Amino acid sequence: LAKTTQPISMDSYEGQEVNITCSHNNIATNDYITWYQQFPSQGPRFIIQGYKTKVTNEVASLFIPADRKSSTLSLPRVSLSDTAVYYCLVEKGYQKVTFGTGTKLQVIP
Amino acid sequence: NAGVMQNPRHLVRRRGQEARLRCSPMKGHSHVYWYRQLPEEGLKFMVYLQKENIIDESGMPKERFSAEFPKEGPSILRIQQVVRGDSAAYFCASSPTGRTVNTGELFFGEGSRLTVL
Repeated sequence: LAKTTQPISMDSYEGQEVNITCSHNNIATNDYITWYQQFPSQGPRFIIQGYKTKVTNEVASLFIPADRKSSTLSLPRVSLSDTAVYYCLVEKGYQKVTFGTGTKLQVIP
Repeated sequence: NAGVMQNPRHLVRRRGQEARLRCSPMKGHSHVYWYRQLPEEGLKFMVYLQKENIIDESGMPKERFSAEFPKEGPSILRIQQVVRGDSAAYFCASSPTGRTVNTGELFFGEGSRLTVL
């Protein structure tokens, strides 16, 4: 299983762009990179998934360099409601995915 | 279309009692996953089930824990003779397929919080 490393916590002011980087040095050819968001007392929620280059949806962008050994989740113009834990996962279809401790993002007014 | 439904949301048990947690997957989903989350920690995989089959239970403790997903009705995670260390949030997720490559997301329920006194 590819191991991921991401910062434990980050602070950001409202309205700023937030970039959370995840390292996955031993990512395998068939692995996809997936990010989830979890609010307190709630289950995780899928944000975005990608394999290479850039993926964008209505919530976030995901940047993956050519070597795929890292990825960056970009949240544009964060608001207080974006305060949550963000998990980076590397997975290939089904496997016993463990979420790790994630990055705790605190958005400051 | 209702999401993944878990109940009870909160459960209090005394040491030695049994805890039963239920999960109804999203409509059309036949794959269920159970995760456990201790305070300030990430989610840890416990078990993956399809209807009437356990596909992977490598994350389940060898004793006292069991899971099922019958042909009819919800998936159930059962913890026998609970101990204080079982206090945690238990999350259920479902997916419409076995999550072959690039099938995307797991859909999570709101979790069941077990407190063992």
